[in-house]
Amino acid sequence: DIVLTQSPGTLSLSPGERATLSCRTSQSVRNTYLAWYQHKPGQAPRLLIYGASSRATGIPDRFSGSGSGTDFTLTISRLEPEDFAVYYCQQYDGSPVMYTFGPGTKLEIK
Amino acid sequence: QVQLQESGPGLVKPSGTLSLTCTVSGASIRRGTWWTWVRQAPGKGLEWIGEMYHNGNSNFNPSLRSRVTISVDKSKNQFSLDLTSVTAADTAIYYCAGAGWYALDFWGQGTLVTVSS
Repeated sequence: DIVLTQSPGTLSLSPGERATLSCRTSQSVRNTYLAWYQHKPGQAPRLLIYGASSRATGIPDRFSGSGSGTDFTLTISRLEPEDFAVYYCQQYDGSPVMYTFGPGTKLEIK
Repeated sequence: QVQLQESGPGLVKPSGTLSLTCTVSGASIRRGTWWTWVRQAPGKGLEWIGEMYHNGNSNFNPSLRSRVTISVDKSKNQFSLDLTSVTAADTAIYYCAGAGWYALDFWGQGTLVTVSS
């Protein structure tokens, strides 16, 4: 089974700063199969990035995804107050079908 | 805009069956989407439970496969989850979602299910 590791566990930043979140997979993953989500307490998780670098519908361009192989990054260029949340990466495996999530990075206001 | 809403009992007794329904609005359940269940236990991360296509094809998390049934009701535009032989470890927020391009495009708000006597 592919294991996802996210770092840091908690990231403390101020609005206006740049956030860089890391996701590492235990085996190489096709870019097509890597996604990122934002999750706020009491709300539905929201898809931000799919295919490692494609923004989902309605996602602001301050969110960007990059990476390949086993190392992937979510970057938020300038933090807005509403961006403070938990972020999860997720990979899809087709044989057999399985979705696996990372443990999450909590982005908190400094 | 597709909207999903979970419904079902918030309390289930140990060894019983957890049953939840997800109502889909804003789109037909016959669209090209894998209808999915995900859960999050208290203080834990997200865990994929399984998915079903409207034609009946399905996939399940191997760790839960023996206890999980997912079904689709086209007439009601709903899909459902049954999880049997529940224990306290099954206490979680349960989310329904729709999967498209190898990612979960849209999600319900989630419903907390507690397993307790």
